[in-house]
Amino acid sequence: QVQLQESGPGLVKPSETLSLTCTVSGDSISRYYWSWIRQPPGKGLEWIGYSYNTGSTRYNPSLRSRVTISMDPSKNQFSLKLSSVTAADTAVYYCARVSDQHGFDYWGQGTLLTVSS
Amino acid sequence: DIVMTQSPDSLAVSLGERATISCKSSQSVLYNSNNKNYLAWYQQKPGQPPKLLFYWASTRESGVPDRFSGSGSGTDFTLTISSLQAEDVAVYYCQQYDSTPYTFGQGTKLEIK
Repeated sequence: QVQLQESGPGLVKPSETLSLTCTVSGDSISRYYWSWIRQPPGKGLEWIGYSYNTGSTRYNPSLRSRVTISMDPSKNQFSLKLSSVTAADTAVYYCARVSDQHGFDYWGQGTLLTVSS
Repeated sequence: DIVMTQSPDSLAVSLGERATISCKSSQSVLYNSNNKNYLAWYQQKPGQPPKLLFYWASTRESGVPDRFSGSGSGTDFTLTISSLQAEDVAVYYCQQYDSTPYTFGQGTKLEIK
């Protein structure tokens, strides 16, 4: 069974860089694409981007200038960095496996990231 | 970007009755070379991540009850629950994975009447 678990600081100050990690078990991240999605409190879902083991990445144009998604196959983890955060970046951040056949088929439980001084 | 629009925003249905949610995409998500619609449906309960219900618009994910069905093609899609159960109370999202940026509908909140 594929499982994903997000980890991160919970609280980030405005203008700083948000860093989150997703640890995958039950599958190798060298297969499939791996994605980050976020959901502001009480709102809908926004795709942030994905990474593939070749180093290929694709980002949402709305966030492209601030986002980096990277992979660490040795730890079976992938990470999100979002720079210059503001209160608008406060959200639950989910990591997910993405298949071009199935969409987002496995999700982590999500981690709430609050931007506040 | 492909814009996904769901209707209604919220829906109240009696237990045992049918619930129908519509999803429209601003451009076709049908891939002609394999005749597949790159459209997924998700169910999200409070405090939980979204759960994949359907992919390719109408292919039920393993473990999803058969009272759920997905239909449609091109730009118009429907999620139907044939006989609403209490555990179906949730927010439902459609999502296109035809092209990046992947985009979601705004969600439809389904409640018991």
